[in-house]
Amino acid sequence: GAGVSQSPSNKVTEKGKDVELRCDPISGHTALYWYRQSLGQGLEFLIYFQGNSAPDKSGLPSDRFSAERTGGSVSTLTIQRTQQEDSAVYLCASSYTGVTEQYFGPGTRLTVT
Amino acid sequence: AQSVSQHNHHVILSEAASLELGCNYSYGGTVNLFWYVQYPGQHLQLLLKYFSGDPLVKGIKGFEAEFIKSKFSFNLRKPSVQWSDTAEYFCAVWTQGGSEKLVFGKGTKLTVNP
Repeated sequence: GAGVSQSPSNKVTEKGKDVELRCDPISGHTALYWYRQSLGQGLEFLIYFQGNSAPDKSGLPSDRFSAERTGGSVSTLTIQRTQQEDSAVYLCASSYTGVTEQYFGPGTRLTVT
Repeated sequence: AQSVSQHNHHVILSEAASLELGCNYSYGGTVNLFWYVQYPGQHLQLLLKYFSGDPLVKGIKGFEAEFIKSKFSFNLRKPSVQWSDTAEYFCAVWTQGGSEKLVFGKGTKLTVNP
């Protein structure tokens, strides 16, 4: 079956604009994760969904960041009033449960100018 | 909070050299351990994992890792690297009873020269 997909693959936006990043997890995977990958900083956890609920939002860096998941499937990460420091690759991953290994998507490269 | 340390930021080897990448974590309870690899231009892929049992685990492409509980370590090894192993390697830890998330190290970039 298909892997985790993310769209868009690249997004260039002006500072202050809002952006939406989309993640389609592997079918049947109940857990979904968002990470941010910055150069030299590894992967920074943002938020975790189990089904449609988000038990752990601890990694969201500010209230400009929000995420939702609908139908236990697609998730959207929204960044409002983007700042230059938001520039990074945003990765989505899914897993069958919260315990098993995570499968990663190709990421969305966000550039804020 | 749990943390994962990868001590080598960038490792440069010649083909056929042996590889060991260090990974240490800071949680004393039950853990699941992972190594992920990111080849240039590709997305993260699972290299190997440890959940329980034999602490020496074998993964894809000839990689292996050893879980040493007393040292809080999960080092990645390969006896003889190839040019195609050039990639970035990430160690990750999932902690039982904690938040349902993986904590990643900052990664080690491996360059293998032909």
